[in-house]
Amino acid sequence: AQSVAQPEDQVNVAEGNPLTVKCTYSVSGNPYLFWYVQYPNRGLQFLLKYITGDNLVKGSYGFEAEFNKSQTSFHLKKPSALVSDSALYFCAVRPLGGYNKLIFGAGTRLAVHP
Amino acid sequence: NAGVTQTPKFQVLKTGQSMTLQCAQDMNHEYMSWYRQDPGMGLRLIHYSVGAGITDQGEVPNGYNVSRSTTEDFPLRLLSAAPSQTSVYFCASTTTSGGAFGELFFGEGSRLTVL
Repeated sequence: AQSVAQPEDQVNVAEGNPLTVKCTYSVSGNPYLFWYVQYPNRGLQFLLKYITGDNLVKGSYGFEAEFNKSQTSFHLKKPSALVSDSALYFCAVRPLGGYNKLIFGAGTRLAVHP
Repeated sequence: NAGVTQTPKFQVLKTGQSMTLQCAQDMNHEYMSWYRQDPGMGLRLIHYSVGAGITDQGEVPNGYNVSRSTTEDFPLRLLSAAPSQTSVYFCASTTTSGGAFGELFFGEGSRLTVL
């Protein structure tokens, strides 16, 4: 079955420290990979995507993600966390043949402490 | 530019009642979709549409109907609400121009409670 896993329900980090939110996927072929962020009582907002090319993708608000094909991972990273980064983060994948569908992970809550 | 607009934002129904969640987008996007968000389960696709007159089922379609008579609108109908349909519902759209699947634009969500 095609799926996306976000192994951490919550990630806690101190402001100014680097952060990583993990994502692994199980999809055949070459997937499209996405990260979205959701602030309280809001819809999801697109952060970044990997389609092809450079394995390091840069996105909005200083976030970046690294695609690792051998580990089937697409971890979200930021060199220096801000309190305002506290939100719910979702990894998503468009599977092979799933032209019109995105499969979302369960989400990881990021808490950045002052 | 309003983007994706969902109404209502909140709704309480009794079991067996029917209702329609409205979704409209002003970006001329071909693709529109409905997701439901439940704690610990992420977002699950209910129905989607790739253009006016074309709809298809997603991962969890049972209990929901959709139609797409215009490019702009994609309503979601609950014919006989059940407590299991208590959730937050999101409408999302994107362009499919050039064969690419662009990033989804989401509405603010509709919180539905079925008693």
